[in-house]
Amino acid sequence: QSALTQPASVSGSPGQWITISCTGTSSDIGGYNYVSWYQHHPSKAPKLLIYDVSERPSGISNRFSGSKSGNTASLTISGLQAEDEADYYCSSYTTTSAWVFGGGTKLTVL
Amino acid sequence: EVQLVQSGAEVKKPGESLKISCRASGYSFSSYWIGWVRQMPGKGLEWMGIIYPGDSDTRYSPSFQGQVIISADKSITTAYLQWSSLKASDTAMYYCARADTVMITEPGYFDYWGQGILVTVSS
Repeated sequence: QSALTQPASVSGSPGQWITISCTGTSSDIGGYNYVSWYQHHPSKAPKLLIYDVSERPSGISNRFSGSKSGNTASLTISGLQAEDEADYYCSSYTTTSAWVFGGGTKLTVL
Repeated sequence: EVQLVQSGAEVKKPGESLKISCRASGYSFSSYWIGWVRQMPGKGLEWMGIIYPGDSDTRYSPSFQGQVIISADKSITTAYLQWSSLKASDTAMYYCARADTVMITEPGYFDYWGQGILVTVSS
């Protein structure tokens, strides 16, 4: 079961928007609408940002949005803020009845 | 308030056994899955496996099947991750996290996370 493919890093300036892609296969992202995204600041617990492809948990800013097309899911962050600088991970349910994470993307706010 | 409190950091030698814990509170322990996630030094998150305390249904990532054992004790609302013989490559941060059920019987996304346990295996 291979990890989902994410870019290693992305960057953007405050106020701009960025998109992080997450590519899988028909056995995971393409087969289910169960994709989630997590924000992870060093030395803290990961935080759920998006679930079921595009749903936001209570308390999560609407600057974060998710989408999916075929075998690729995407996380868009608009109005970048300094505190958005973190690692971001996608995750998908798979045909093995387990979940798999992406390799992670480091977001740098310039 | 949902809380997942993990046991303290561990330092072990190769070949030793270990069982780390995750104590849950603030919700119906038997009605949600609890899973484990590994983060090796400088690396990304890895989904290891998950258990449904209500009926002990346990799922493992193929990468971790046979390498670890996940269990839970409903009486003390605590989940466990254990190794019978540690290797240096088991050195990592381990997080527990709660998941709801999707598709009637399957584990869903992680909505609450523990603070993590650093396990160091070194001779």
